[in-house]
Amino acid sequence: KNEVEQSPQNLTAQEGEFITINCSYSVGISALHWLQQHPGGGIVSLFMLSSGKKKHGRLIATINIQEKHSSLHITASHPRDSAVYICAVASVEGSNYKLTFGKGTLLTVNP
Amino acid sequence: DTAVSQTPKYLVTQMGNDKSIKCEQNLGHDTMYWYKQDSKKFLKIMFSYNNKELIINETVPNRFSPKSPDKAHLNLHINSLELGDSAVYFCASSQGPYGQPQHFGDGTRLSIL
Repeated sequence: KNEVEQSPQNLTAQEGEFITINCSYSVGISALHWLQQHPGGGIVSLFMLSSGKKKHGRLIATINIQEKHSSLHITASHPRDSAVYICAVASVEGSNYKLTFGKGTLLTVNP
Repeated sequence: DTAVSQTPKYLVTQMGNDKSIKCEQNLGHDTMYWYKQDSKKFLKIMFSYNNKELIINETVPNRFSPKSPDKAHLNLHINSLELGDSAVYFCASSQGPYGQPQHFGDGTRLSIL
């Protein structure tokens, strides 16, 4: 079982819909990242969070440390939001630092 | 103005060859990373350096050797290339090592013939 599980793997939505992508992890973490990879291949860091909630434009990321779960929400989705969204967790054990990635969620937003 | 730049963007070479991919960041960050993204698009970390010191060294073949001549550069050298090395390799940097936001390069697509 992967230490970081994302759901759904694939998501198709109509423009304007509210989108939720989930990420569950099984290890203790120091931070959680949400990344976006566009069809052209470039990767952009959307959020880094260790508690609570962050908002940037139409994107909202939340994390529940007790439940080891994070969600990425997109409000008023647009075709340009079509991309792969990747969750990654950073954990530190002593002097060992680890980054573990989920397999990504492919989002397609149709006009 | 590019924050994290990788060269080359594309690399096509024969099996058995040795090749290098270079990465430079002009953000003043202390930490740099190399990732491999396979054909299934799964992103996996390979190495990370913080202030020129290796802090992440995942299980990768020892044909892969990172080199960090200074904080702004992290190069990846690959010996005796194999078919399975075909992938997109991403370089990234962050201000610090512990869960800081990362800035990614555009990737280097390596194809082994």
